[in-house]
Amino acid sequence: QVQLVQSGAEVKKPGASVQVSCKASGYIFTDYYMHWVRQAPGQGLEWMGVINPAGGSTNYAQKFQGRVFMTRETSTSTVYMDLSSLRSDDTAVYYCTNVRGGFFHFANWGQGTLVTVSS
Amino acid sequence: QSALTQPPSASGSPGQSVTISCTGTSSDVGGSNYVSWYQQHPGKAPEVMIYEVTERPSGVPDRFSGSRSGNTASLTVSGLQPEDEADYYCTSWAGNNKWVFGGGTKLTVL
Repeated sequence: QVQLVQSGAEVKKPGASVQVSCKASGYIFTDYYMHWVRQAPGQGLEWMGVINPAGGSTNYAQKFQGRVFMTRETSTSTVYMDLSSLRSDDTAVYYCTNVRGGFFHFANWGQGTLVTVSS
Repeated sequence: QSALTQPPSASGSPGQSVTISCTGTSSDVGGSNYVSWYQQHPGKAPEVMIYEVTERPSGVPDRFSGSRSGNTASLTVSGLQPEDEADYYCTSWAGNNKWVFGGGTKLTVL
């Protein structure tokens, strides 16, 4: 079955960077685009961006341009999301979620990674 | 890209029907066939309930249905059951490989 397994919780200081990983299994890695969505405590879902695992091309939400960087490692079927210049309002659960080629909905989700930004 | 507009809350008694709206613009909801709805229980990851405005993934009860009129999409839950109590989010493809979410609606089963 399809599984997206994310790395563990992180605590970071303001101004630092964080990397969250998402390891995919149960499907052909390059058949699905991988997206990142975050959810601040008690708040709604927010789309951050997408990476095409086949070629590595990315597209980011305007809000995160210049601070987010998504990469992939096809040999391990893993996608990475780096977020820099962290602020307290970046405290959130970060999810990876995939979209099958030709479709436009988020089919499978990782378990979420809590990133806490605090001095 | 502005978030889609959803009512913050909705409620209904067991067995009743409830409809949640999701309003966008002609650049997203009104101009895209790629509106989807997600259910999220506390502490859990979201789960897709409706995709491409009206399509239901296998395994999702047929009590859940989707529709759209103009720039507003809707999710209807018929025959409410206690386990339907959750947060619901709409999302739409907004062109140029970008997506936008609604603010979410908390559904309470009375």
